[in-house]
Amino acid sequence: NAGVTQTPKFRILKIGQSMTLQCTQDMNHNYMYWYRQDPGMGLKLIYYSVGAGITDKGEVPNGYNVSRSTTEDFPLRLELAAPSQTSVYFCASSYPQAGKLFFGSGTQLSVL
Amino acid sequence: KQEVTQIPAALSVPEGENLVLNCSFTDSAIYNLQWFRQDPGKGLTSLLLIQSSQREQTSGRLNASLDKSSGRSTLYIAASQPGDSATYLCAVKYGNKLVFGAGTILRVKS
Repeated sequence: NAGVTQTPKFRILKIGQSMTLQCTQDMNHNYMYWYRQDPGMGLKLIYYSVGAGITDKGEVPNGYNVSRSTTEDFPLRLELAAPSQTSVYFCASSYPQAGKLFFGSGTQLSVL
Repeated sequence: KQEVTQIPAALSVPEGENLVLNCSFTDSAIYNLQWFRQDPGKGLTSLLLIQSSQREQTSGRLNASLDKSSGRSTLYIAASQPGDSATYLCAVKYGNKLVFGAGTILRVKS
């Protein structure tokens, strides 16, 4: 029972490089989210999706892009990586809007 | 602005003690409230989910209460154990968005 799977677990980028963080869930959840967590801080919402083909900005979307072509996958794209994007990134999903959130194990990203 | 605050930021207690973690939120028009546990280097695990129409939820030694009118929730942990050591996060759902507190770091000493 995989749940929410994120890859990679760790990554180091140089300033200006680009990369895609992968997220896939096997629970047929409509709602998917991307959060970032900085040390000593709560999670901040980057983007979210309420279903395939529908995405919307969260609290901190600048420097990121997302797509949702299938129910299962919700990749997060970083263009022109900056040191301010050093963080731990979490993907999450839920089925009904009022339901419990399931999290992936996170991607630790460093931009140097 | 919708903000969630958790007090205390850190807590250290001896094993067996009952304890209370606090969460406050500025906007009472919530959809639901969740308490999560996060172990170092790991993702978040949902502990309890309280819908806006509910007053409390219980799971084993955990009890969470919700008072929308005062903008507060508490997580009560009974008979704490060293395995309860973790960061506990409160998150409030507004529409499609979940707003997180910064968490309480709990250490239970054996």
